[in-house]
Amino acid sequence: AQTVTQSQPEMSVQEAETVTLSCTYDTSESDYYLFWYKQPPSRQMILVIRQEAYKQQNATENRFSVNFQKAAKSFSLKISDSQLGDAAMYFCAYFGGSQGNLIFGKGTKLSVKP
Amino acid sequence: ETGVTQTPRHLVMGMTNKKSLKCEQHLGHNAMYWYKQSAKKPLELMFVYNFKEQTENNSVPSRFSPECPNSSHLFLHLHTLQPEDSALYLCASSQETDPNYEQYFGPGTRLTVT
Repeated sequence: AQTVTQSQPEMSVQEAETVTLSCTYDTSESDYYLFWYKQPPSRQMILVIRQEAYKQQNATENRFSVNFQKAAKSFSLKISDSQLGDAAMYFCAYFGGSQGNLIFGKGTKLSVKP
Repeated sequence: ETGVTQTPRHLVMGMTNKKSLKCEQHLGHNAMYWYKQSAKKPLELMFVYNFKEQTENNSVPSRFSPECPNSSHLFLHLHTLQPEDSALYLCASSQETDPNYEQYFGPGTRLTVT
C-alpha cells in the first residue's frame, strides 16, 4: 500500500528566510501525482502546489517550489521569503492511478517568527 | 472562504444521539468527499461521491452514513458514535475525481463525542 511520511512534526523559520519541508512516499506505481496542502489555523485546507510524476521539471508557484526526486521517492517543499501568513500545518499528499484517492502524511506544523 | 461550506462548525453529542453534518458546495463540482482529521494522524478519506453516486467507502463503520441528494449537497449522518470518533470532519469537492482537478475543502466540523 502507498504511504506518505513527513518526518518533521514541527518546523520554525525566521520571517524572510527560506525553509524546506520534507516528504517521502512509498509506491510501486510509475504514474502518480504529489501535492502540498496548507491548513492555516482557521482550518480551511488549500492546495499549495502539485507535481505530476511524469514531469521531470520541479513545480513552482511564486515563493513555493518543490524538489521532486522520483528515484528517491522524495518530494520536499521549499518556501522562500517566508511570511507570517505562511504559518500553518502543511500536508504532503499522494494520488496514484490505481489507488484513486489522496493519501496524506501526518503534517508538519510551520511557525514563522517575526 | 472557498465555495465549500460546512455546518455546524462545532458539535458536541452524546453516544446515543443522532446528528447530521452538512456540506454544500457552490462551485458546480461533480465530486464530493468526506475526510476525518484526528490529532496526530493523517487525514483519512471516508467517502467519495461522483455524480451523486458513492464510489468509495473506505471501510467506514456503519454508524457513519453518508447521503448525497444532489451534486451540491453532502450529508454525514451520525448515530451511536464512540468517543474515538471525536475529530475534525472535512468536506471537499472537485470538478471530477481525476487528480488533475483540485480538491477544495470546507472549514470542517469539530465533533466531540461525550
